[in-house]
Amino acid sequence: EAEVAQSPRYKITEKSQAVAFWCDPISGHATLYWYRQILGQGPELLVQFQDESVVDDSQLPKDRFSAERLKGVDSTLKIQPAELGDSAMYLCASSSGLAGNSYEQYFGPGTRLTVT
Amino acid sequence: GQSLEQPSEVTAVEGAIVQINCTYQTSGFYGLSWYQQHDGGAPTFLSYNGLDGLEETGRFSSFLSRSDSYGYLLLQELQMKDSASYFCAVLNTNAGKSTFGDGTTLTVKP
Repeated sequence: EAEVAQSPRYKITEKSQAVAFWCDPISGHATLYWYRQILGQGPELLVQFQDESVVDDSQLPKDRFSAERLKGVDSTLKIQPAELGDSAMYLCASSSGLAGNSYEQYFGPGTRLTVT
Repeated sequence: GQSLEQPSEVTAVEGAIVQINCTYQTSGFYGLSWYQQHDGGAPTFLSYNGLDGLEETGRFSSFLSRSDSYGYLLLQELQMKDSASYFCAVLNTNAGKSTFGDGTTLTVKP
């Protein structure tokens, strides 16, 4: 069964360091999402791609976060510099299309980031 | 903006039926999804309502009333493995963006 792959699964970094997360969506899925989930809360959308284009990044803290999906397949989310408040689970998800086809999102296992 | 409200915790016994409600305020509403997340795991899709009414998938059913901005997830014949967090998520017409609620933690007791 096809799955969304993410790495690393766990990351511990010091404040002010740079950190990067990688996601490989299910093959053929045009839409890719990056979410941040704080313990006890629901996933919060950071950025949404349709193929290689950003569709929504309204909640992405652009002064320190960046995301790319250069060839419309896998994606990287970067934080530089990391802050203590960035400690969270970072989830990647994919779906097969926009709007009516996006109600079923497939999530990867996530990267748990701890900033010390 | 968008907001969703769901109870923070629900407790039920094995074999029982439980209903988790979700009310929302949003513009550009397209549909309502439900996801399950076990501790330490990733959310997994359960059900979707694009139209008013009831959708049934095995032991799980989901209901939507657009006029009331309200939906619910119904879990029947509860099993211990159903202990998890359940999230409702509004699908927006704006390029398929989803906004998640803060989740309901379901505890199933023997």
